[in-house]
Amino acid sequence: ETGVTQTPRHLVMGMTNKKSLKCEQHLGHNAMYWYKQSAKKPLELMFVYNFKEQTENNSVPSRFSPECPNSSHLFLHLHTLQPEDSALYLCASSQDGPWQGLWEQYFGPGTRLTVT
Amino acid sequence: GENVEQHPSTLSVQEGDSAVIKCTYSDSASNYFPWYKQELGKRPQLIIDIRSNVGEKKDQRIAVTLNKTAKHFSLHITETQPEDSAVYFCAARGNTGNQFYFGTGTSLTVIP
Repeated sequence: ETGVTQTPRHLVMGMTNKKSLKCEQHLGHNAMYWYKQSAKKPLELMFVYNFKEQTENNSVPSRFSPECPNSSHLFLHLHTLQPEDSALYLCASSQDGPWQGLWEQYFGPGTRLTVT
Repeated sequence: GENVEQHPSTLSVQEGDSAVIKCTYSDSASNYFPWYKQELGKRPQLIIDIRSNVGEKKDQRIAVTLNKTAKHFSLHITETQPEDSAVYFCAARGNTGNQFYFGTGTSLTVIP
């Protein structure tokens, strides 16, 4: 499959569960991102990985734990979430670099998360 | 950090008319400004982008203009079609790291 893929597409979990979201990019990019998309709010950048190293963590609660084992895979581990964490979680990738970098972000289809 | 504001939040136009969506940003060091289209239930898709060394860019019916002095950029869609109906997001990339800041989105409806 080409582009950016995410699994699962839908997830319902209780507040005491532990689950993981998976993202895979087939574009040869070196940067990957997790975003949270809630209704009526802008896309919120959660984490950025560049060459497998986390470069950004925008004050995200510790109940969200990212993992990037290589430049093609990105995970978001979830535990003891709250109902307000229900949202669409989008993964994206880009080819980072200086001015010549291809900064365009390509998004995955998202995981619709519902916390009950 | 950067703050991106987007207006209007909703926009309805007649088919064939033009649509304009405006965004402002606060950090003069931001250097890249993409626009995304997100149809209902689908992922955001890049439709056009502009870098800070360019004032205008056009791709068929879509154009983006950037005014660095005023720190605002706009999306222009001409000859709108019903399939242009979607939510459009603007974004700004910070000059340090891979920080992208998004606007709150504009829901565009093109009335046939």
